[in-house]
Amino acid sequence: RKEVEQDPGPFNVPEGATVAFNCTYSNSASQSFFWYRQDCRKEPKLLMSVYSSGNEDGRFTAQLNRASQYISLLIRDSKLSDSATYLCAGMDTGRRALTFGSGTRLQVQP
Amino acid sequence: NAGVTQTPKFRVLKTGQSMTLLCAQDMNHEYMYWYRQDPGMGLRLIHYSVGEGTTAKGEVPDGYNVSRLKKQNFLLGLESAAPSQTSVYFCASSPTGGGQGLAGNTGELFFGEGSRLTVL
Repeated sequence: RKEVEQDPGPFNVPEGATVAFNCTYSNSASQSFFWYRQDCRKEPKLLMSVYSSGNEDGRFTAQLNRASQYISLLIRDSKLSDSATYLCAGMDTGRRALTFGSGTRLQVQP
Repeated sequence: NAGVTQTPKFRVLKTGQSMTLLCAQDMNHEYMYWYRQDPGMGLRLIHYSVGEGTTAKGEVPDGYNVSRLKKQNFLLGLESAAPSQTSVYFCASSPTGGGQGLAGNTGELFFGEGSRLTVL
């Protein structure tokens, strides 16, 4: 079992829709979690960090459920520019590195 | 502010050739990483460094070597390239290695633009 698992999608949603992604992790010792956004053929860029129960930034909300070992990302009022791959990552406390999921692809359609 | 710079950005090798990818960061970060990204596999950690002069193996280290002689540089070497090493390679740096740092420090990893390597 992979340490961090995501539904690869793609999620095809219309503009203005609300979409949610889940990510499960197996390392219960992980303390820090992140959502990165990656555009096609580009480097990943940080979208949100999640250290406690959750974090909100405008249209984006990330939540952490330690009991069930999953992190979610909610995007409200989707824009065409939100189309990208969203990578979930958890901190590998032993290595001081991030372990990434395979990514979930989102396509927002007009 | 350049951030994290990778060279070269593209390279085609023949099986058995050797090459070195260079990663340079100008943010004075302690932690540096090399990941590879393959379709459907996400980012996998090859090697990493927690400071100048240190290196350690990640998830998929076989066939690669690294060196961190200067704090700002992290080199990834392929001694004898194989077709299975065809991939996109990303270097990253971090001030805290992913952990929550001081106020205002998100612990994020800062990535270079990637190096696309094809081994024929």
